[in-house]
Amino acid sequence: QKEVEQNSGPLSVPEGAIASLNCTYSDRVSQSFFWYRQYSGKSPELIMSIYSNGDKEDGRFTAQLNKASQYVSLLIRDSQPSDSATYLCALWGPGSARQLTFGSGTQLTVLP
Amino acid sequence: DVKVTQSSRYLVKRTGEKVFLECVQDMDHENMFWYRQDPGLGLRLIYFSYDVKMKEKGDIPEGYSVSREKKERFSLILESASTNQTSMYLCASGQGVRTEAFFGQGTRLTVV
Repeated sequence: QKEVEQNSGPLSVPEGAIASLNCTYSDRVSQSFFWYRQYSGKSPELIMSIYSNGDKEDGRFTAQLNKASQYVSLLIRDSQPSDSATYLCALWGPGSARQLTFGSGTQLTVLP
Repeated sequence: DVKVTQSSRYLVKRTGEKVFLECVQDMDHENMFWYRQDPGLGLRLIYFSYDVKMKEKGDIPEGYSVSREKKERFSLILESASTNQTSMYLCASGQGVRTEAFFGQGTRLTVV
């Protein structure tokens, strides 16, 4: 089993809709979780970090973490065509390893 | 703003050449990482370092080595380039344990 699994997509949503991106992880001791956005041909950029169970909101983005169920999700409200990108889930670990481990990403397309 | 700079945006090398990819960060970060990104495979960690002269193998270290002589600079070395090392190479840096990382612009390496 991969350390970090993402719904592979691609995912298409109409403009103005909510896009929901999901990620599960295998290591119960993971403490730090991140969402990156990557536009085609560009490098990943951090959009959200979350460390505690529950929701964390930043503008149109909400990250949700459930450590008991070992999943982390990203909701994008009022999706815009400019949100079309690949979204990467990442976590620190596995275990005590000092590294950032990424999922394979979910490609999101927001249709005008 | 964090600035992570990779020495080349595009690089073309011949099979068997020794290749150096350089990465410099300006935020005095402890941690530096080298990833490669291939379609369908996501970001895979090659090597990382959490201190000067320290290095740790990631998931795919074979065929690569690294050097970190100064805190701000982390070099990836392909000892004898092969065509299966054609890829996008991404450098990242971060501070402390369990925190996010910031990426450079990437180097697209083609080995012919």
